[in-house]
Amino acid sequence: SQTIHQWPATLVQPVGSPLSLECTVEGTSNPNLYWYRQAAGRGLQLLFYSIGIDQISSEVPQNLSASRPQDRQFILSSKKLLLSDSGFYLCACSAYGNTIYFGEGSWLTVV
Amino acid sequence: SQQGEEDPQALSIQEGENATMNCSYKTSINNLQWYRQNSGRGLVHLILIRSNEREKHSGRLRVTLDTSKKSSSLLITASRAADTASYFCATGGSNAGGTSYGKLTFGQGTILTVHP
Repeated sequence: SQTIHQWPATLVQPVGSPLSLECTVEGTSNPNLYWYRQAAGRGLQLLFYSIGIDQISSEVPQNLSASRPQDRQFILSSKKLLLSDSGFYLCACSAYGNTIYFGEGSWLTVV
Repeated sequence: SQQGEEDPQALSIQEGENATMNCSYKTSINNLQWYRQNSGRGLVHLILIRSNEREKHSGRLRVTLDTSKKSSSLLITASRAADTASYFCATGGSNAGGTSYGKLTFGQGTILTVHP
């Protein structure tokens, strides 16, 4: 089964600073990869999904970008963070079906 | 707009009781899934039910799906304090170029508290 590693687990960043959240997947090849954001412990919002290397779709316009330099690596970035970027970010993957497996998440606080 | 909407938003019960959570959605689906999230953690997949299925069981979990009403329910029987968590339904699954990419739309979740 898939294992998702996501880091850092928590970070506090000042407004205007850059961001890089990393996610790697083990136990599968050619997975679909996702970045979700969750605000206030409620519903999840899909930010980006990728069906292959350098194939990334953005779901909502925002201050963030995503990259997939390798098959099992997915990176969420920002050049300049906003206060509104604070939240809980979850990397996820799926393969051979619709079940999505999640990482443990990254808490981002922008101050 | 949100596809899946859970009801109730919060549920508080005693250990041993059954917990029922409901989910409604708006558009046609290929499948519906339920996930669990402990506070501050990632989501854990519980069960997937396909659009041509009406009921599915997994341990103490029972999921029903009524596509005519566009609704699903998750029943947890004989609840335990360890079942305390948020529960989300997610709808989706569509095929793009023959490959299912599993894009899911999540509801807002039901916060379940089981008191010992």
